[in-house]
Amino acid sequence: GQQVMQIPQYQHVQEGEDFTTYCNSSTTLSNIQWYKQRPGGHPVFLIQLVKSGEVKKQKRLTFQFGEAKKNSSLHITATQTTDVGTYFCAGRGAQKLVFGQGTRLTINP
Amino acid sequence: GAVVSQHPSRVICKSGTSVKIECRSLDFQATTMFWYRQFPKQSLMLMATSNEGSKATYEQGVEKDKFLINHASLTLSTLTVTSAHPEDSSFYICSARRGGLNSNQPQHFGDGTRLSIL
Repeated sequence: GQQVMQIPQYQHVQEGEDFTTYCNSSTTLSNIQWYKQRPGGHPVFLIQLVKSGEVKKQKRLTFQFGEAKKNSSLHITATQTTDVGTYFCAGRGAQKLVFGQGTRLTINP
Repeated sequence: GAVVSQHPSRVICKSGTSVKIECRSLDFQATTMFWYRQFPKQSLMLMATSNEGSKATYEQGVEKDKFLINHASLTLSTLTVTSAHPEDSSFYICSARRGGLNSNQPQHFGDGTRLSIL
């Protein structure tokens, strides 16, 4: 079945450093969504990418969808302590949305 | 908009008890609702997908007689963990989405229910 792999599993950075998490699907996706889950909280929808090669920005966050629509990345520039949490990608194949394992970001102030 | 309320937030009960968890979409009609289980520091494991007015679709390995799902209206879905045992202890989280099975709308999550079975 469809699998979505996300790396790294953990990332610890100094405040101000950049951060990137990568997502790879075993199958071509119709779209990919990104969610953020703060410690003790629930996942919150960040963005959806649909087009091949699409790039979207939200302030310091840059989201990319690969040309083959099988991979995606989230890049955070100059991290802040408020960026702490687990970032999940979720790829939509034929019908189902499959979540990656998530990347847990911790930040040293 | 797109607020999802999940209740209760925490349940502690004895083994053998049945526990009912409610998931409500407060400001939109949720044609489709999802139930997930999340183990500590792990990803979301989809348990079942429910569409209003029809039977839930369970993922492989999830016992439908153990985890009863009812999606009686466009704003309410319930998950009942029947005769719960310690191995059922987990964080259960629901999400709701506008549109049917093929919808690309984002999912909006409830706050989750932490279930502890003694």
